[in-house]
Amino acid sequence: GENVEQHPSTLSVQEGDSAVIKCTYSDSASNYFPWYKQELGKRPQLIIDIRSNVGEKKDQRIAVTLNKTAKHFSLHITETQPEDSAVYFCASRGSNSGYALNFGKGTSLLVTP
Amino acid sequence: NAGVTQTPKFQVLKTGQSMTLQCAQDMNHEYMSWYRQDPGMGLRLIHYSVGAGITDQGEVPNGYNVSRSTTEDFPLRLLSAAPSQTSVYFCASRFRDRGPYEQYFGPGTRLTVT
Repeated sequence: GENVEQHPSTLSVQEGDSAVIKCTYSDSASNYFPWYKQELGKRPQLIIDIRSNVGEKKDQRIAVTLNKTAKHFSLHITETQPEDSAVYFCASRGSNSGYALNFGKGTSLLVTP
Repeated sequence: NAGVTQTPKFQVLKTGQSMTLQCAQDMNHEYMSWYRQDPGMGLRLIHYSVGAGITDQGEVPNGYNVSRSTTEDFPLRLLSAAPSQTSVYFCASRFRDRGPYEQYFGPGTRLTVT
């Protein structure tokens, strides 16, 4: 099945700096790549997603880039704020399990004032 | 629109007990799934369903059963609870083939098996 690797597992940045989280996937048939943010004790919530026919997508301070040839995609957060502190998960929609979302193991982001 | 709902929010079981985690959605989503979340392990797929009457196994199905008699409901049954099943369980739903592709999660059930 699909294997999604996510790095780093923890990331600490100062407020105002940028944060980058990277993921790789193995299934060349994957066509959808969402990013979820999970605050402590809450459910994962979608923050941005990208489809395989697009190379980059931006929404205010967050952006996602996709390199289909290299099978990797990244989340970029600019001008980080303390409220960005959370666990971030990447995922890919592969061809296994009825086109299930396969998740990376998460990145714990801490933004210090 | 309630979205995806789950009950209970918390549960403590003794080893060997059985129970059912309830999940319902009101978005007319064909695809529903159950994940478990353990520290450092991300979200792992337990079982999924692509429509009423159709279920299949995910990555970690052992010790769990599911059924899908209606589009709205997708309960997860623990047959004989074990301490290794202590986890947070999330139900999720989305459209099967057509967009938007966004997958919605329920609030989760925190299960402890002693």
